Amino acid sequence: RKEVEQDPGPFNVPEGATVAFNCTYSNSASQSFFWYRQDCRKEPKLLMSVYSSGNEDGRFTAQLNRASQYISLLIRDSKLSDSATYLCVVTYGGSQGNLIFGKGTKLSVKP
Amino acid sequence: DTAVSQTPKYLVTQMGNDKSIKCEQNLGHDTMYWYKQDSKKFLKIMFSYNNKELIINETVPNRFSPKSPDKAHLNLHINSLELGDSAVYFCASSQGPGDQETQYFGPGTRLLVL
Repeated sequence: RKEVEQDPGPFNVPEGATVAFNCTYSNSASQSFFWYRQDCRKEPKLLMSVYSSGNEDGRFTAQLNRASQYISLLIRDSKLSDSATYLCVVTYGGSQGNLIFGKGTKLSVKP
Repeated sequence: DTAVSQTPKYLVTQMGNDKSIKCEQNLGHDTMYWYKQDSKKFLKIMFSYNNKELIINETVPNRFSPKSPDKAHLNLHINSLELGDSAVYFCASSQGPGDQETQYFGPGTRLLVL
């Protein structure tokens, strides 16, 4: 059964805080992993891909643990503009771009 | 300048009606998708076309019929609309159908069935 689980939040944090989101996926055959960001009443946009060795893009760090089927996203030095819903996304081998989305974790960064 | 565009942005209609949503991408991509985001915010793929050929067809009622007249367009026709069809429908496109390809989403069409 295809499933991606996330804590829905909301996470309410002050500016400058570090916040971490977690995600688990059910199918061990999963091949590709992503974090997307969705602003209120907007379309999802790719934030970053997640690689086995972990990867960083500025204030954002993504980690993957295939053994535990667990993905994380760390945001350092939160900005007001980081307020959004963060969607954990996986695909399965040969799925031809069939993205399986989690329900998302809502982040609200306060001044 | 819009990469992936959808029309209409909002659609309010009565149960039983037939309606169409249009999607166009000017990115030169080969692959296009339709997703549905329901009231619980769950985003699920419905269809995918690559070079005008259907490659993904998830479990969707056959009242939903996608049509791709060319690589840049993927339309969605819905017959006999039901209350449960109310949702936001997102179109997306990617360079190709591979799992690592970045998908670019349109702004969404908010459908309300009364």
